[in-house]
Amino acid sequence: RKEVEQDPGPFNVPEGATVAFNCTYSNSASQSFFWYRQDCRKEPKLLMSVYSSGNEDGRFTAQLNRASQYISLLIRDSKLSDSATYLCVVTIPGGSYIPTFGRGTSLIVHP
Amino acid sequence: NAGVTQTPKFQVLKTGQSMTLQCAQDMNHNSMYWYRQDPGMGLRLIYYSASEGTTDKGEVPNGYNVSRLNKREFSLRLESAAPSQTSVYFCASSGQGSANEKLFFGSGTQLSVL
Repeated sequence: RKEVEQDPGPFNVPEGATVAFNCTYSNSASQSFFWYRQDCRKEPKLLMSVYSSGNEDGRFTAQLNRASQYISLLIRDSKLSDSATYLCVVTIPGGSYIPTFGRGTSLIVHP
Repeated sequence: NAGVTQTPKFQVLKTGQSMTLQCAQDMNHNSMYWYRQDPGMGLRLIYYSASEGTTDKGEVPNGYNVSRLNKREFSLRLESAAPSQTSVYFCASSGQGSANEKLFFGSGTQLSVL
């Protein structure tokens, strides 16, 4: 079983829609959680960290459920520019903390 | 403000050839990583270095070697390239390698092995 699982999508939504992505992780000792955004053929860039109490950054809201071992990302009022792949990242303890990526969820926002 | 510099951007190899991907960061980071990304896949860790002088295997280390030359530089070597190593390679770094630090990425290397 992969350590970090995501629905690959694609999610195809109209502008202005609200869309939510989920990500599950298998290691209950996982320490930290992030969402990265990746545009086609470019390097991933941090979108937001995910905190236990949930956190919001403009139109983006991230939630963490440690008991069920999943994190979520909610995007409100989708823009064309939100079209990208969203990567769930979980930091897994080992000798060091290893950032481990899910496969990514593709979002396409259309006019 | 260069951040993470990765070279080359593109490379085509024949099966059996060798090459080294170079990565350097100017942020005084301790931890550095090499990932590969295949179509429809997330990033898979090849090797990482938690600090200067140490390296460890990640999820997919077979066919690769690494060198942490100094604190700034972390290179990835393919000794005998195979078509299965056709991929996009990303180098990344983070400050102390602690749990809640963000990763800074290079712009990637598109490698094709024929």
